[in-house]
Amino acid sequence: SSELTQPPSVSVSPGQTARITCSADALPKQYFYWYQQKAGQAPVVVIIKDSERPSGIPERFSGSSSGTTVTLTISGVQAEDEADYYCQSADSSGSYRVFGGGTKLTVL
Amino acid sequence: QVQLLQSGPEVKKPGASVKVSCRASGYTFISHTISWVRQAPGQGLEWMGWITVYNGHTNYAQNLQGRVTVTTDTSASTAYMELRSLRSDDTAVYFCAREGHIRGFDYWGQGTLVTVSS
Repeated sequence: SSELTQPPSVSVSPGQTARITCSADALPKQYFYWYQQKAGQAPVVVIIKDSERPSGIPERFSGSSSGTTVTLTISGVQAEDEADYYCQSADSSGSYRVFGGGTKLTVL
Repeated sequence: QVQLLQSGPEVKKPGASVKVSCRASGYTFISHTISWVRQAPGQGLEWMGWITVYNGHTNYAQNLQGRVTVTTDTSASTAYMELRSLRSDDTAVYFCAREGHIRGFDYWGQGTLVTVSS
């Protein structure tokens, strides 16, 4: 089964750019998704299909992929972006879903 | 608007079973899959399994095979997740989530805290 590896934490100052990576042990040939989860709340999807923003998600959120690594980029980080972020994909057959371990974004 | 409303918190003893419900509204229930995702205290998200509502097909995470069952009642637009032989490390918030068509988990329930304690 696929495993997705994220850094446990990322810290940036307000206005800077935060980059959160997600590395797959093998390319699952499936899309990646990114979720934001604030304390005590359910996750919210912020990037779909590797790099698309759902409606209502600010433009400062973007996604990209290169090889077996996908990256969530938050440009001009704001205090309200402080949260846990999770990448998610599926196995090569599309039968199972998998989450990365999560990254805590701290806005200094 | 799309909503997923879950049942309330549960406290169970080790070895018991728990069944959590997730009532959907605001969309055609059979047109989307429903997944269950859990989150232990202070830990990350763990996908548990899913059901294709229109035909009842299920897939479960390998580490939960044999202990978890996901079902639906289409007449009530409700999905259920039953977890058996509960252990203390099953203590977690359990979420149901709708999977959009190549849109990821686009709607989530509010979460149900299940506490397993003797």
